[in-house]
Amino acid sequence: KAGVTQTPRYLIKTRGQQVTLSCSPISGHRSVSWYQQTPGQGLQFLFEYFSETQRNKGNFPGRFSGRQFSNSRSEMNVSTLELGDSALYLCASSFAATYEQYFGPGTRLTVT
Amino acid sequence: AQTVTQSQPEMSVQEAETVTLSCTYDTSESNYYLFWYKQPPSRQMILVIRQEAYKQQNATENRFSVNFQKAAKSFSLKISDSQLGDTAMYFCAFMKLDNYGQNFVFGPGTRLSVLP
Repeated sequence: KAGVTQTPRYLIKTRGQQVTLSCSPISGHRSVSWYQQTPGQGLQFLFEYFSETQRNKGNFPGRFSGRQFSNSRSEMNVSTLELGDSALYLCASSFAATYEQYFGPGTRLTVT
Repeated sequence: AQTVTQSQPEMSVQEAETVTLSCTYDTSESNYYLFWYKQPPSRQMILVIRQEAYKQQNATENRFSVNFQKAAKSFSLKISDSQLGDTAMYFCAFMKLDNYGQNFVFGPGTRLSVLP
């Protein structure tokens, strides 16, 4: 099976802009979670989607949003970018029965 | 809220030796899952091993094994016969299921260097 894929891999944006990141889960996985990884804060949970519904949300401002499509692919959107949003954004998918998360390579976002 | 602590920010070990990474967590839940993930330099995160809290037997995956002490809320990872490819950040993770789905909490990580 193909692994979790994320596009784009690298992105440079300017403060105030918005960005959309994409994640394609492993075939058959219906749960998709998003994380922000920074050197100072480590891995922080953003949200989890299952069957097109957001089931869980971390402690992030409303500028961070996401969605999941019927094929389980997911997107996350960050509006009004701030310098502090520079991070590696990781997507992980899991099969409900095992709860093991499989991570994508991440999208490295740099905000200037 | 659950918290996960990894008290060793950095560790090093000689190739072929054994090393143990510590992880403690705080929860009032009785049913949960614990995981160790590995993130090699500039590479993606991969699952190393998982443990269900209701299982008393410690999980083992080849050279990787855990020491799960539920009462002490401790979940350490032992790597035997360390290899250069084991050099990575290691994250301990706690997961519980609630009405809202999966809820993962990751520790801050331990940077392991395997020395030749």
